[in-house]
Amino acid sequence: EAQVTQNPRYLITVTGKKLTVTCSQNMNHEYMSWYRQDPGLGLRQIYYSMNVEVTDKGDVPEGYKVSRKEKRNFPLILESPSPNQTSLYFCASSFDTLAKNIQYFGAGTRLSVL
Amino acid sequence: TQLLEQSPQFLSIQEGENLTVYCNSSSVFSSLQWYRQEPGEGPVLLVTVVTGGEVKKLKRLTFQFGDARKDSSLHITAAQPGDTGLYLCAGEGHPHAGGTSYGKLTFGQGTILTVHP
Repeated sequence: EAQVTQNPRYLITVTGKKLTVTCSQNMNHEYMSWYRQDPGLGLRQIYYSMNVEVTDKGDVPEGYKVSRKEKRNFPLILESPSPNQTSLYFCASSFDTLAKNIQYFGAGTRLSVL
Repeated sequence: TQLLEQSPQFLSIQEGENLTVYCNSSSVFSSLQWYRQEPGEGPVLLVTVVTGGEVKKLKRLTFQFGDARKDSSLHITAAQPGDTGLYLCAGEGHPHAGGTSYGKLTFGQGTILTVHP
């Protein structure tokens, strides 16, 4: 089954404790992206990757890191989480350009930073 | 930073009514996508419009991309309770008009639609 898998689905952590949210897709997609969703603000793009070893900043990259060492995986790293990073996070992937392809979203990771 | 203003933020209507959701920006987009999101799930793509002036229909949903590729609208005819959900528009960057690259996606704030039986 074609899917985007995020782990964990729920995470509670404390300020400053490094964490990684994994994202994996099994559709051989070139494009992958991370978003955060907050009430009243919609989704905001954190980072995106057009292909392996190519990553670019979205609108809200501060406090986050990503890597794209292989096509299927695009982990989101919070080196020193802070309470303002409490949010619902989505990973997504698309075969190629968004204008011609469907972007598939994972089920989301709800993160709480205390 | 490109901005995409989506309105209205909330819409509560009776079954059978028509409605329109708007997304407006001062920036040009290379494409514009409309998503629907259910609680506890990720957004699901409804349609992508690419050409200025383009109109796409999906059953009772009609999507339009502005001639200048800066705005879009979603019109639902004869809304049904099954249409209830969060609707999101998202514009993809245009490297030749505004400087942002392909792949950079800007979302509107979303419209929470409730259709009462």
